[in-house]
Amino acid sequence: GQNIDQPTEMTATEGAIVQINCTYQTSGFNGLFWYQQHAGEAPTFLSYNVLDGLEEKGRFSSFLSRSKGYSYLLLKELQMKDSASYLCAVRDVGNNRLAFGKGNQVVVIP
Amino acid sequence: ETGVTQTPRHLVMGMTNKKSLKCEQHLGHNAMYWYKQSAKKPLELMFVYNFKEQTENNSVPSRFSPECPNSSHLFLHLHTLQPEDSALYLCASSQDLVAKNIQYFGAGTRLSVL
Repeated sequence: GQNIDQPTEMTATEGAIVQINCTYQTSGFNGLFWYQQHAGEAPTFLSYNVLDGLEEKGRFSSFLSRSKGYSYLLLKELQMKDSASYLCAVRDVGNNRLAFGKGNQVVVIP
Repeated sequence: ETGVTQTPRHLVMGMTNKKSLKCEQHLGHNAMYWYKQSAKKPLELMFVYNFKEQTENNSVPSRFSPECPNSSHLFLHLHTLQPEDSALYLCASSQDLVAKNIQYFGAGTRLSVL
């Protein structure tokens, strides 16, 4: 089985940097995904990591350490529109299912 | 526009009603999924279809009945639901079930069971 852990909520100021952590336990790791979900909207894909290291995509970066069962999503130059829930999901090698964390609610304030 | 459309967006039903949720994807994908999202809980996978064949039923009660007539359409038929079934039901699709498999989600149907 899989166990995904994320902090539940954080508040940050517009223009700042925020780091959202995700720790996981899985019997067979086959990739980690980050999604963004605004209230009442579809989760949208942000990033994918399968090898250790940092993946950068504009203002968003995602890091993975497979040995530590740890990932983070880094949001730079925060904008008000970044207020959303950020979901971490891990794929299991056995069945290719995505197991999701509860999500981290980020609130951006002026 | 995510390429995955769900209708209705909101649904209120009594415990004795029968209703259906619809999902349509315009991405040319072969795999489709139903998830349940409850407050303060992770997304729960319910069903997976690949090339119209059901490949996964995640111990879902029989009052939820999926149907996949073709690779573009997915339905979730609901009957004699319970109040605890109130949740956001999300549909997703992906190219297939292998490797780096990005799932694209619809906006969901917000279901309230009275």
